[in-house]
Amino acid sequence: DTEVTQTPKHLVMGMTNKKSLKCEQHMGHRAMYWYKQKAKKPPELMFVYSYEKLSINESVPSRFSPECPNSSLLNLHLHALQPEDSALYLCASSRGTDTQYFGPGTRLTVL
Amino acid sequence: QKEVEQDPGPLSVPEGAIVSLNCTYSNSAFQYFMWYRQYSRKGPELLMYTYSSGNKEDGRFTAQVDKSSKYISLFIRDSQPSDSATYLCAMSAGDYKLSFGAGTTVTVRA
Repeated sequence: DTEVTQTPKHLVMGMTNKKSLKCEQHMGHRAMYWYKQKAKKPPELMFVYSYEKLSINESVPSRFSPECPNSSLLNLHLHALQPEDSALYLCASSRGTDTQYFGPGTRLTVL
Repeated sequence: QKEVEQDPGPLSVPEGAIVSLNCTYSNSAFQYFMWYRQYSRKGPELLMYTYSSGNKEDGRFTAQVDKSSKYISLFIRDSQPSDSATYLCAMSAGDYKLSFGAGTTVTVRA
């Protein structure tokens, strides 16, 4: 089973709202990732958690706050987003530093 | 110059044709090479994974890696309309970071 699940599928939020995206994997992978993908562009890495510790932060604005409660779960907390943050947010996981498996994504619209 | 170059297409082929996709790269530290298929508004799905140079076949899909030329390819035989998607090449030096190509949009005409 190579499944990464993400909730919600769609999210619409105002610029003053606080919301969270959730990601789960049960493959025993020890690395989990958040990506942002704009239309007709490849995914852009935001954060990497390795063994539940934040190991890479690609200079993402502080209005995005990641959290890894345990080895199977990854959250992305959103606060005071801008309309240009509207995108497909993808979660991925990997056993090590090699192949990454992506979830279906959360389509976020910021009004 | 981008680290990974991929022609964005679009590429349109008739059903049953062979689809040929490729990427070139500049970073000689890359050792893991992947092809992902992404349908519109969905997450990327891993199609093929190759470590270092060589060929790998899985059903209708063949992936080739030539590290000496810094060139990777994906071939899809007997293409079907359901193969219509964007195909992304990705590669890694083993540091958790994937470098993606721009993605090639493929349409298989029935």
